[in-house]
Amino acid sequence: QVQLVESGGSVVQPGTSLRLSCAASGFTFGSNGIHWVRQAPGKGLEWVTMISWDGRIKFYADSVKGRFTVSRDNSRNTLSLQMNSLRPEDTAVYYCAKDLAMTYTIDYWGQGTLVTVSS
Amino acid sequence: DIVMTQTPLSSPVTLGQPASISCRSSQSLVHSDGNTYLSWLQQRPGQPPRLLIYKISNRFSGVPDRFSGSGAGTDFTLRISRVEAEDVGVYYCMQATQFPWTFGQGTKVEIK
Repeated sequence: QVQLVESGGSVVQPGTSLRLSCAASGFTFGSNGIHWVRQAPGKGLEWVTMISWDGRIKFYADSVKGRFTVSRDNSRNTLSLQMNSLRPEDTAVYYCAKDLAMTYTIDYWGQGTLVTVSS
Repeated sequence: DIVMTQTPLSSPVTLGQPASISCRSSQSLVHSDGNTYLSWLQQRPGQPPRLLIYKISNRFSGVPDRFSGSGAGTDFTLRISRVEAEDVGVYYCMQATQFPWTFGQGTKVEIK
């Protein structure tokens, strides 16, 4: 079955960096676009970024553009999110999630990893 | 960015009774390819979101047929024909017609 397992969440200070990872299994990783979506404590969902199946196309939310970078390694079935210049408002659970093939939506989500930005 | 607005934000329902959630987008969700990429997701307490409906009315694999979606253009509805205890949670609409993808604020469904 499809599995997406995020890791790397931590408590960090404002202005620092953190790298999240997502390990995928149970599907042909190199065939799907992958997203990061975040959820601040007690709040709704916010789409963060998407990377295409081949890594050539990337989109970012304005709130993270220029600070976050998404990448993927299809040979290792892994996705990464490099987060720089972190702010308190970046505090959230970060979910890795995959595209449903042949359409635009998200069909499977990981369990999430918590990032807390606080001094 | 496309703004998604859900109503109501809270919906107390009686077991076995229907429930309905509306979602309105700030602009048409019809894509240049002719499809409308409006989805509905369910988030049970303590769980990640789960896809229920995509492209307005297509139920995802394993989703019970008591869930249905309808609508067009800018107005969409999720209906639960007979609410069960396991349906408690927050429901989100999501548009994937245009980047950035955006979500509604969420509607909390709870049992009266």
